[in-house]
Amino acid sequence: DIVMTQSPDSLAVSLGERATINCKSSQSILYSSNNQNYLAWYQQKPGQAPKLLIYWASTRESGVPDRFSGSGSATDFTLTISSLQAEDVALYYCQQYFTTRWTFGQGTKVEIK
Amino acid sequence: EVQLLESGGDSAQPGGSLRLSCAASGFTFSSHAIGWVRQAPGKGLEWVSTISSNGIHTDYADSVKGRFTISRDNSKNTLYLQMNSLRAEDTAIYYCATTIFGVGPPWGKGTTVTVSS
Repeated sequence: DIVMTQSPDSLAVSLGERATINCKSSQSILYSSNNQNYLAWYQQKPGQAPKLLIYWASTRESGVPDRFSGSGSATDFTLTISSLQAEDVALYYCQQYFTTRWTFGQGTKVEIK
Repeated sequence: EVQLLESGGDSAQPGGSLRLSCAASGFTFSSHAIGWVRQAPGKGLEWVSTISSNGIHTDYADSVKGRFTISRDNSKNTLYLQMNSLRAEDTAIYYCATTIFGVGPPWGKGTTVTVSS
């Protein structure tokens, strides 16, 4: 199975500052035939189902604020929150869907400093 | 818009069985693979199983292989998960999930399974 490793496990950022979460896959999840990276980012708040933020590594889901952005390719990916807001406090997960054996990062907890 | 609605979550005893369902709408169900993801209390997300669009190909996490069976009825736009020989560690919220993006939430809201004596 493809192993997804997120870093850090948690981070505390001041309101209005940038938050950066990294996700590394144990093998490339870039499909050469369509040049797409099979990576998604989800946000989960307590008691709620995960909410899709980003797919194809960098495509923002409709309705997601533009302070959220995704980047990276092949094995190294980043989710950036450009200006942290109070409502962004949550757990964040990366997911690969390159294979049908989907795998997730362990999660990164984002808090306010 | 994609809509996925899980049902069937309940309490069960160890060794017991449950059948989860996921009613899908808003997309051409028969054209897409679909699967189940679970989240144990206080834990991260764990993929459980995936089934191909025509139901021929299935895959399972090692933790459930031989105990759980995924299936689908494309005439009813419904996904199933038959869960046998349940264990305490199967206690989790089970989400119906797709990788259909850009047309609404790709996951349902989940259904809760509790395995306890």
